[in-house]
Order: sequence, then C-alpha cells, then structure tokens
Amino acid sequence: SYELTQPPSVSVSPGQTASITCSGYRLGDKYASWYQQKAGQSPVLVIYQDIKRPSGIPERFSGSNSGNTATLTISGTQAMDEADYYCQAWDSSTAIFGGGTKLTVL
Amino acid sequence: QVKLVESGGGLVKPGGSLRLACAASGFTFGDYYMSWIRQAPGKGLEWVSYISDSGININYADSVKGRFRISRDNAKSSLFLQMNSLRVEDTAIYYCARDPKPKQLVPSDWFDPWGQGTLVTVSS
Repeated sequence: SYELTQPPSVSVSPGQTASITCSGYRLGDKYASWYQQKAGQSPVLVIYQDIKRPSGIPERFSGSNSGNTATLTISGTQAMDEADYYCQAWDSSTAIFGGGTKLTVL
Repeated sequence: QVKLVESGGGLVKPGGSLRLACAASGFTFGDYYMSWIRQAPGKGLEWVSYISDSGININYADSVKGRFRISRDNAKSSLFLQMNSLRVEDTAIYYCARDPKPKQLVPSDWFDPWGQGTLVTVSS
C-alpha cells in the first residue's frame, strides 16, 4: 500500500524559514495537499494541488512537489504557525495522509 | 457560511455499533462528494470513506471495509457513518469533510472544509 513519510518534528526560530517534507513513491506524479492542525482544533487546508493557497492562508505558506518529495515551506515563521502539519495525496481511489510533523517555533 | 457539524459519538463496547451523523449547511449538500476521516488519540489522520454526490460512488479504507457503511440523505443535508463490529482500534475523533468542488465525477485531490469532529471511544 502507498505510504507518505514525514519527519516527526521540525523546529524553527521566529522569522526563519521552516521546511516540512513529505516523501512517497513518485509523489510528484500526484497532487499533494497540506493541512495545519493546531492543538484541539480540526485540520485546516493550507496548500492544495501542490502549490495553491486557499483564500485566507497567508502568503508565507508555499508548496512544491517533484520527484518523490513534496515540501511545505513557511517563510518568516510566526509563533501562531506552531502546529501539526499533514501532507495528503490520493492513490488508487484512497486518500493517504502522512504521519504528521510537529512544528515547534522557539 | 459552510458548516459541518458531527454528532453521534460516544462510548461503546467492542463488537458494538454506533451511527455517526454530519449535518451540513451553507451550501448545496447534494452537489458534493463527502468523506469521513478519523484521528486516533495523539495520532495522525486516517481517511475512512467517501461517498459521491448521488451516493452511487463509495469507497472505504481497508481497515473498515465490511464493518462500516457510509450513506447520505441529500434532502436533509446529512451524511452518515454506520459503524458495526467496533474494535478498540476504532477509537478516534471522526471528522466529516467536504470535497472542495461541486458536481465532480471523482473526488477532488483535497478536503475543505472539515467539521469539528465527534469522539468515538471503543472500550470494555
């Protein structure tokens, strides 16, 4: 079965750039989406179709997807960006989520 | 505005059944694919099932196939998940989530928006 692999944790200083990776076999041939989940809240879409930002999502959030890796990049990271982040793609009519990455802003 | 409100969660013994509901408002429910996605305590997200706008196209995760059944009532703007033969490992918050685009032949590549979730606990 298809799997998406994320690092369990990423740390970043305020104002710096955070990069969260998501790896899967030929992931670049699929569309990747990213969700932000703050403590005690439901997931919120932050990137879809690899690079697109929903309305209301700050411009500091961006995405890329090529080869076997999709990447969520947060430029000028703020304390409010501290959350769990999940990548997601579809394979054989099944939605697959990565294991999630805890972003710590310290 | 678009709103999804789940209900029906609770405590149930292993082998028992539970029926979850998701009440939708703020959009034409009958035009959208809908999904259930769950999250075990302290764990990641796991897609459970989707259903097409007409209810004809349905799919399940292998972990729930044969035990769970998704359905919808477009007249009542409601999505359901009938869960039978529940196991301890089914313990999770269950979210309903909408497809972002109406009248699709297949599910879109992402989920937006999500409801607030309902907690299902399977324990003796």
